[in-house]
Amino acid sequence: DTGVSQDPRHKITKRGQNVTFRCDPISEHNRLYWYRQTLGQGPEFLTYFQNEAQLEKSRLLSDRFSAERPKGSFSTLEIQRTEQGDSAMYLCASTGGGEQYFGPGTRLTVT
Amino acid sequence: EDQVTQSPEALRLQEGESSSLNCSYTVSGLRGLFWYRQDPGKGPEFLFTLYSAGEEKEKERLKATLTKKESFLHITAPKPEDSATYLCAVQREGGKLIFGQGTELSVKP
Repeated sequence: DTGVSQDPRHKITKRGQNVTFRCDPISEHNRLYWYRQTLGQGPEFLTYFQNEAQLEKSRLLSDRFSAERPKGSFSTLEIQRTEQGDSAMYLCASTGGGEQYFGPGTRLTVT
Repeated sequence: EDQVTQSPEALRLQEGESSSLNCSYTVSGLRGLFWYRQDPGKGPEFLFTLYSAGEEKEKERLKATLTKKESFLHITAPKPEDSATYLCAVQREGGKLIFGQGTELSVKP
């Protein structure tokens, strides 16, 4: 197992465009989490899935953000009508019930 | 409201100079306290989980301890390769992690 993977690693987009990120968790892990991290800060929780069910969403997750986890495997995070304030590192983590293992993140830059 | 505060924000050590990082927390219903290491441009790397006051865990030059209000990450005789940002997090219901802002450690040879 190669761990949690995320794609793309870097994304530069213009304000107003839509972007989609993908996360592939460790295969036997049933829980998947999305976090956002800005420079000099710790990661902030966005949302999580248990299998295919989205069980919690943070107040940080505006209606421009949507996440899915079809069939309880990989997950996607979409941001519509991006704003400069969306520039951040988007991290995915998975767990089988104990510690969370993080992927390398997707660095989003909105110009 | 749940809160995690780490100190200092930055720490510069000479190689071999031992020190400690602090993580103070207020949370209702602690389900676990986690320490991660993060290198620039990478995702956090899991180090330790502590579940109850008095618990201690060690890994190479690192030792984590937990009380009812704070956790310490002790670094003994650090090496330059220990330079990174160290993140502390508390786990809430549903498993989500609430992170502190991190301590940026720099170890000079």
